Amino acid sequence: DSGVTQTPKHLITATGQRVTLRCSPRSGDLSVYWYQQSLDQGLQFLIQYYNGEERAKGNILERFSAQQFPDLHSELNLSSLELGDSALYFCASSVGTETNEKLFFGSGTQLSVL
Amino acid sequence: GEDVEQSLFLSVREGDSSVINCTYTDSSSTYLYWYKQEPGAGLQLLTYIFSNMDMKQDQRLTVLLNKKDKHLSLRIADTQTGDSAIYFCAERNTGFQKLVFGTGTRLLVSP
Repeated sequence: DSGVTQTPKHLITATGQRVTLRCSPRSGDLSVYWYQQSLDQGLQFLIQYYNGEERAKGNILERFSAQQFPDLHSELNLSSLELGDSALYFCASSVGTETNEKLFFGSGTQLSVL
Repeated sequence: GEDVEQSLFLSVREGDSSVINCTYTDSSSTYLYWYKQEPGAGLQLLTYIFSNMDMKQDQRLTVLLNKKDKHLSLRIADTQTGDSAIYFCAERNTGFQKLVFGTGTRLLVSP
């Protein structure tokens, strides 16, 4: 168990809908990262938050947004969903922002858009 | 640019050694990681190596880094059926927060 908790584990929804994925980092970790894993794109970095502030942005679509709350949990919001958004979404956390820090990953949320 | 490549599939017999290879393009990579993904589970950090090292050994795992060729390998000694999983290499460079992952190598260990 990595200590990173993601909910829900599975989510099935329809095109055009909006969903929220939730992540609780390991105790004491201030950084949260979101990754998308799909068959065609592999593991893609979406966005990172550190202590409530956006720190780095990757290949995140404009239809997607995220935030990190004062209690350090994070939510990834996906709107106007398309079939191609079906993927496994991972959250990871680390203590801070140093390059040598290890990332610990949650078990992911499997999103299926029908 | 960032690009990390791995072979897609490796099959070995139980007890043999497995070698999973990875090549990367970013010469400023500072840390290189190996993660393991089992079905229905997240990514588990196995080991990592700093770019000024050539080799790192951790029990059954040996990581070799050839910085000149930008080649990283993971050797698993005495491979067990429980080692069957997808293995990802990832690189991270100074000043950047994100990990760039390879395409993943599916390791199948047969009895």
